[in-house]
Amino acid sequence: GQQVMQIPQYQHVQEGEDFTTYCNSSTTLSNIQWYKQRPGGHPVFLIQLVKSGEVKKQKRLTFQFGEAKKNSSLHITATQTTDVGTYFCADLTNAGKSTFGDGTTLTVKP
Amino acid sequence: DAGVIQSPRHEVTEMGQEVTLRCKPISGHNSLFWYRQTMMRGLELLIYFNNNVPIDDSGMPEDRFSAKMPNASFSTLKIQPSEPRDSAVYFCASSFRGQTFYSNQPQHFGDGTRLSIL
Repeated sequence: GQQVMQIPQYQHVQEGEDFTTYCNSSTTLSNIQWYKQRPGGHPVFLIQLVKSGEVKKQKRLTFQFGEAKKNSSLHITATQTTDVGTYFCADLTNAGKSTFGDGTTLTVKP
Repeated sequence: DAGVIQSPRHEVTEMGQEVTLRCKPISGHNSLFWYRQTMMRGLELLIYFNNNVPIDDSGMPEDRFSAKMPNASFSTLKIQPSEPRDSAVYFCASSFRGQTFYSNQPQHFGDGTRLSIL
């Protein structure tokens, strides 16, 4: 079935540094949703990308969908301690099924 | 508005016992998902329902697991008999799935049930 690979698995940065996580698939993705899960919490929806080459921004977060719709990225500019958590990408198929990547866990040193 | 409500929040029980996890989706949502999260396996989709009908249960580990959605406002995930390897956080999520693909909405997760099987 559809598999969504995320890299890196872990990322440790100094506060103020940038952070990027990548989501890759061997097949064309229907769309991409990004979620954030704080330690001890539950995944919370961040954004959905649908169109090829789409770029969306939320304050310091920039989300991109590849031209071939086989990859996506989340970039955080100037990380803050509040950015700590695990970031998941998820593929939502036409049938309504979602497949989550393994996530990238971000830690930020103040 | 109330979000997705799961109960219990925590469950500790001995192996062999029956475990029932409960979920109340957000009112108006027509899709419901059960996930299991562990360090080793990440976030796994177990089963999802659309309009109370199970659409895909290929993620259900084995016959010990069963899920029901008797109406639009309630779902259960049952494990019988439970085993230590079932210990995990179980999340329920709901969303609205429209007639067209692009009308699909994001998933809203409950706080999860932290299950420990001794």
